[in-house]
Amino acid sequence: GAVVSQHPSWVICKSGTSVKIECRSLDFQATTMFWYRQFPKQSLMLMATSNEGSKATYEQGVEKDKFLINHASLTLSTLTVTSAHPEDSSFYICSVRRGAGGTEAFFGQGTRLTVV
Amino acid sequence: GQNIDQPTEMTATEGAIVQINCTYQTSGFNGLFWYQQHAGEAPTFLSYNVLDGLEEKGRFSSFLSRSKGYSYLLLKELQMKDSASYLCAVEDSNYQLIWGAGTKLIIKP
Repeated sequence: GAVVSQHPSWVICKSGTSVKIECRSLDFQATTMFWYRQFPKQSLMLMATSNEGSKATYEQGVEKDKFLINHASLTLSTLTVTSAHPEDSSFYICSVRRGAGGTEAFFGQGTRLTVV
Repeated sequence: GQNIDQPTEMTATEGAIVQINCTYQTSGFNGLFWYQQHAGEAPTFLSYNVLDGLEEKGRFSSFLSRSKGYSYLLLKELQMKDSASYLCAVEDSNYQLIWGAGTKLIIKP
């Protein structure tokens, strides 16, 4: 299976600051990566699809200027939460799939973001 | 719209059997996944069904009925370490994964 590394695993930041989360595909080149957010006792919510070398595709209701995604290489995608507010506190997880059509999703370890 | 329903929480006894149901209504269907997620961790893959019937993998089995929009995950010989949330996810016609909210399974001694 694919190995996905996500960093940091947890972060606490002050309101108004920005936080960058990294997601690395360690053993294959991922042209697409997925960013999810998960609130306690809720489902994984897809925020955006990160595309290598092009703009990310954001889901409806997700502010692209607030959640900046950069996929500069085939092994690295970053999510930057800009001007963070307490309501942005959540569990953020990245995911990769080797392809579509029945291929499983592999997840990073997740990042627990707490904005104080 | 797209909808996946699972029970919010279930409780079972160590050594017993438990069945977690999942019903779905999605824009097309290309397959159904089950994942396990321990608290504070990322989900890990358990099973994949694309055809009707039962897929068995050790203590875990997964069943699919496409005509009924229904699946279940069956866990046998429950162990304390099976305490986790179990997520059902459907791959729609656009190959996107649509996730259920998960079922929190509590195992009691």
